[in-house]
Formats: sequence, C-alpha cells, structure tokens
Amino acid sequence: SQQGEEDPQALSIQEGENATMNCSYKTSINNLQWYRQNSGRGLVHLILIRSNEREKHSGRLRVTLDTSKKSSSLLITASRAADTASYFCATDKAAGNKLTFGGGTRVLVKP
Amino acid sequence: GAGVSQSPRYKVAKRGQDVALRCDPISGHVSLFWYQQALGQGPEFLTYFQNEAQLDKSGLPSDRFFAERPEGSVSTLKIQRTQQEDSAVYLCASSPHRGGDNEQFFGPGTRLTVL
Repeated sequence: SQQGEEDPQALSIQEGENATMNCSYKTSINNLQWYRQNSGRGLVHLILIRSNEREKHSGRLRVTLDTSKKSSSLLITASRAADTASYFCATDKAAGNKLTFGGGTRVLVKP
Repeated sequence: GAGVSQSPRYKVAKRGQDVALRCDPISGHVSLFWYQQALGQGPEFLTYFQNEAQLDKSGLPSDRFFAERPEGSVSTLKIQRTQQEDSAVYLCASSPHRGGDNEQFFGPGTRLTVL
C-alpha cells in the first residue's frame, strides 16, 4: 500500500509560474526523496532530504520537510514546458531500505 | 550503457503464461529493487536484493512471483501463470549503497499486459 497522499493529484500551470505540490506520510522516516517520471519512462531522482533537515535547494527545486506534521513540499520555480511530468515523493524507514511512494502529482506546464 | 536497463520493454502475455523480466543494474551497485506500478499509481515495492541475497520479499503479491539475482548482478523477476491483475509496469532500481543515503537509479521499466 502507498505510504501517503500527494496533493494535488493534478496541477496545470503556465510556463514561468511556480508549481507547488505536497506529500504526507504516515510513519517515521529516515529520509524523503522526490522523483520525476515522464510519460512511459522510468523515475529520475530529483532531491533527497534527510529527516533532520528542514529545507533543501537544488537549482529551481526547493524541498521542505516537517517531521512533526509528517509532510513535505516540493516547489518548482519558473516552470518550463519540459517540467511536465508526474512527481512522486518516496520515503524509507532506514538507510538502504525500500522506498514507499505516494500516489504522485501530475503536472502540466503549458507553453 | 551507464544506466539501469530492463528487457523486454514491452511484453504481452496470454493469461496463464509464464513471463521473465530482466534487469541489468548499474555495474558495481550492491542493492537492487523491484517495484510494480499500476496505471496512474505510484510504484509499490516488490522485493530487494543486497548482492545475491534476497533480503526482503514482503511485497511480492503471491507465490506466483519469484525473483533471483544469482551472481549479485543481473536480476530476473518471474511471474508464473500470469493473471490480468498482473498487468502493470515493472520497475527495477539499483543503488550503490549498503546503507547511508538511499538514492535509487531506476530503469525504464517493462510494461506487462496480460490478455
């Protein structure tokens, strides 16, 4: 079963706008990761945030983690048409362990 | 190639057939994972290997599913007597680590359709 929920399930924005999506999970975690999946392709790792971190940046990506609320958010700034994809959060309970994914947010960036 | 590869990319099977799905992880990666992704859903864990040892198979949905990694490199996921509910994309991922940060590198997946 899925670890948690992602919100929204789908998001449509104009190129240049920011996209924000949220992830909630149920159990304690070791770290939380975000992955992107283009239609019909495998998952690409975007960013990892450890359970003792609160915010992390990578290029146009910003991730926050609130372990007290068991939630995370992914912000994509200045979106591009190429950012159109599904985005998944994934957690693991221990280092080197299996990932438990959310249901994903489908993002459409219109040119 | 530098990435994880999977074959075949697409497989159509008649109900009741056996299928074998192959995963070639990144060379030297210790950990290998199999996931099942139903249409419109996130991937769900099936099984995990550390080198040749299958350390976790708690996600395998039934005893019709069997995975192996006999030499600690290539892995095969076998599904016996396929059923329509087995239709999904099967993703393989590898990771260099025994522990520590657990970034996983995913292959393109095998899309299995059971008729």
